[in-house]
Amino acid sequence: QVQLVQSGAEVRKPGASVKVSCKASGYTFTNYDINWVRQATGQGLEWMGWMNPNSGNTGYAQKFQGRLTITRNTSITTAYMELSSLRSEDTAVYYCARVLGGQVWVFDYWGQGSLVTVSS
Amino acid sequence: AIRMTQSPSSFSASTGDRVTITCRASQDINSYLAWYQQKPGKAPKLLIYAASTLQSGVPSRFSGSGSGTDFTLTISCLQSEDFATYYCQQYYGYPWTFGQGTKVEIK
Repeated sequence: QVQLVQSGAEVRKPGASVKVSCKASGYTFTNYDINWVRQATGQGLEWMGWMNPNSGNTGYAQKFQGRLTITRNTSITTAYMELSSLRSEDTAVYYCARVLGGQVWVFDYWGQGSLVTVSS
Repeated sequence: AIRMTQSPSSFSASTGDRVTITCRASQDINSYLAWYQQKPGKAPKLLIYAASTLQSGVPSRFSGSGSGTDFTLTISCLQSEDFATYYCQQYYGYPWTFGQGTKVEIK
């Protein structure tokens, strides 16, 4: 069965960076794009960026350009999301999500979420 | 970016009710519209994509319709497990954007 398992909660100070991992299993990792979506407490969903695990190509929402880096390690079928220059507004649950496929940019499997808290 | 606006933001309903949630796009998005269900503390779950295609395993009481700028999600007979927050998402124009959510509460 398809699973995306994310790393645990993190606490960072303003200005620091955080790296969240997303371990994929149950399917061919390089066949489906991975996206990252975040959700502040009590708020809606915000799309951040995508990565093609086969090529390593990425795309980021303009809001996160320069602060967001999505990478992968295909040998361990794991994607990573690194966000730098953290501020309090970045406190949120961060999700990785698999694209359904066939250029249908919707998300059929999600990780369980990783809470990132930014606080001095 | 394409702005997605859902209405209402929240409402109360009873088990067995037929409920409809609306999503409006700020520009024509053809049928590139998905719906998700999210329960507290859980990741979103894909219900519908391409405006009206039911994702595998989703009960048939869920249906979607619309094209262009106006879309609806209908739950034909609300069940206890359907009390949740629902989000629409457009994938016509990059960056992908979500509506602000509609919370369905128990009356």
